[in-house]
Amino acid sequence: DIQLTQSPSTLSASVGDRVTITCRASQSLSRWLAWYQQRPGKAPKLLIYDASRLESGVPSRFSGSGSGTEFTLTISSLQPDDFAIYYCQEYNTLSQTFGQGTKVEIK
Amino acid sequence: EVQLVQSGAEVKKPGESLKISCEGSRDAFNTAWIGWVRQMSGKGLAWMGSIYPGDSDTRYSMSFEGQVTISADASSNTVYLHLNNLKASDAAIYYCARLAPGSSSLHYFDYWGQGTLVTVSS
Repeated sequence: DIQLTQSPSTLSASVGDRVTITCRASQSLSRWLAWYQQRPGKAPKLLIYDASRLESGVPSRFSGSGSGTEFTLTISSLQPDDFAIYYCQEYNTLSQTFGQGTKVEIK
Repeated sequence: EVQLVQSGAEVKKPGESLKISCEGSRDAFNTAWIGWVRQMSGKGLAWMGSIYPGDSDTRYSMSFEGQVTISADASSNTVYLHLNNLKASDAAIYYCARLAPGSSSLHYFDYWGQGTLVTVSS
């Protein structure tokens, strides 16, 4: 089974900080990776798909990059609404596996 | 606008069965697969399976195959998740989500339901 490992598991940051989250896959995914944001008590929300394509309506401070086995989600200037848990998800294999999540908390 | 509306929270006893529904707007279901994702308390997301409501073609995660059943009623734009012989370990929030339209059952989830909380307790 494919494994997706996100790092860090928890990230403490301040409003205005640049934040980067990494998702590493145990096998190549080409560009078939998405990123989601989940705020407390809410359903996940799609941010990025195909590794780097910004979902319509998502602020441009979010960006994604990478291919193969290493991917990153970057928030260029952290806003109060961005404190949440972020998940990567692969859709290259029948498992459609999610990463374990990265919690972005207030420093 | 694409909307997915799930049935309400459930409290069940061990051994009981449960059916959760996910009703979508017409454009949520046309030419799109609908998946189910489990989130246990304080934990991450796990894809359970997906169905194409147009012909009920269904795919299951190996982790959930045989444990759950997914069905659809295309005429009412509704997808169901069936859980039998509930255990305490089935307690979770269950989300339905639309896979972005395309020809494959492998895709990202572009719209999500609000989630259904399932509690299993004697």
